[in-house]
Amino acid sequence: DAKTTQPNSMESNEEEPVHLPCNHSTISGTDYIHWYRQLPSQGPEYVIHGLTSNVNNRMASLAIAEDRKSSTLILHRATLRDAAVYYCILSIGAGSYQLTFGKGTKLSVIP
Amino acid sequence: DARVTQTPRHKVTEMGQEVTMRCQPILGHNTVFWYRQTMMQGLELLAYFRNRAPLDDSGMPKDRFSAEMPDATLATLKIQPSEPRDSAVYFCASGSSGFPNEKLFFGSGTQLSVL
Repeated sequence: DAKTTQPNSMESNEEEPVHLPCNHSTISGTDYIHWYRQLPSQGPEYVIHGLTSNVNNRMASLAIAEDRKSSTLILHRATLRDAAVYYCILSIGAGSYQLTFGKGTKLSVIP
Repeated sequence: DARVTQTPRHKVTEMGQEVTMRCQPILGHNTVFWYRQTMMQGLELLAYFRNRAPLDDSGMPKDRFSAEMPDATLATLKIQPSEPRDSAVYFCASGSSGFPNEKLFFGSGTQLSVL
């Protein structure tokens, strides 16, 4: 199974950009890269996803390396509300569509 | 806003009792996932369905757990008999036919405590 590697935790100052890295060196050509986050006592929440090209939405940006072996989630201005566990996940292969969560990165935002 | 509805929100039961958790996917969604979350194991995939058919339930203890979709608007997860180690938060998520090129929507979860 393609897996992802993320740092256990990161800190950011409020209103500064945050770059959350993810390594997925065994990714296959049809695997999408998904990012979800989980705020305390809530269910996971979609952030962004992509296949090959960089993606932007109102919440964040996703930068995907040219070889697709790594990606970076970018929060442009961290707020206290962004403090959460961020999960980088691969949806594995055509026909399977599994979305298996790892341990994620716990992001702390310092006022 | 459309949302995934899970019931009950909380359930306390005694060991050996049957537990049924329900999930109402977003109308029109044909992909449903069940996850379990504990402090020790994190989020574990238990089962997932596409067009009401189970595609994978390999993460689920077969001897006591069962997952079904009686119809397109209801997914159920049953535990019989329940054990203290089943205490966890159980999440349901639904997605459209475009998944994995579309997002999943998660419910608020069922917090299960087995005494």
